[in-house]
Amino acid sequence: KAGVTQTPRYLIKTRGQQVTLSCSPISGHRSVSWYQQTPGQGLQFLFEYFSETQRNKGNFPGRFSGRQFSNSRSEMNVSTLELGDSALYLCASRLVTGAQITGELFFGEGSRLTVL
Amino acid sequence: GQQVMQIPQYQHVQEGEDFTTYCNSSTTLSNIQWYKQRPGGHPVFLIQLVKSGEVKKQKRLTFQFGEAKKNSSLHITATQTTDVGTYFCAGRGTGANNLFFGTGTRLTVIP
Repeated sequence: KAGVTQTPRYLIKTRGQQVTLSCSPISGHRSVSWYQQTPGQGLQFLFEYFSETQRNKGNFPGRFSGRQFSNSRSEMNVSTLELGDSALYLCASRLVTGAQITGELFFGEGSRLTVL
Repeated sequence: GQQVMQIPQYQHVQEGEDFTTYCNSSTTLSNIQWYKQRPGGHPVFLIQLVKSGEVKKQKRLTFQFGEAKKNSSLHITATQTTDVGTYFCAGRGTGANNLFFGTGTRLTVIP
């Protein structure tokens, strides 16, 4: 069974640009979460999607957005990039049983974004 | 908002010594999970605790969930070099679905 796949793995952007990151969850996992990881702040929750709907949102500005497609693949977008957006962006999928989202998170390898 | 604090931030131990990391939440948790992230890798799930006062063991690792469901600990007995990495706790508040991660404890094991 393939794991969570994130693309691209590495990218470099300049301030003011925008970026789109992609995440393909484990087959059968309908919940996808995004986290930002930086050395100083640890793992910060961005948002979670389930059935193409954003279910939860962390405390990030509106420049950070996401969406989920009918095949559960998800994308996140960051517009008007700032230097502080440099980070490892991790996607994680979870299994959904019935109406409950439970269990462990399966993380992808991450997309490392550098903003110059 | 919900906060999950973890101490210590860093820990250096000699191989064979024990190691403990502590996790504290500002609010009551419905459950808590622990993850390990190796250097250069991604977080990998270790265990989930749900019940008040629950204790679970995985070989040399012992996980505890506090009676008030606001704190948790991970204890490693006789550390090995393979234990190197950052250990994160992640708590889910009551009525919430998303996980809030602790700040992590980076463990270095000196051979």
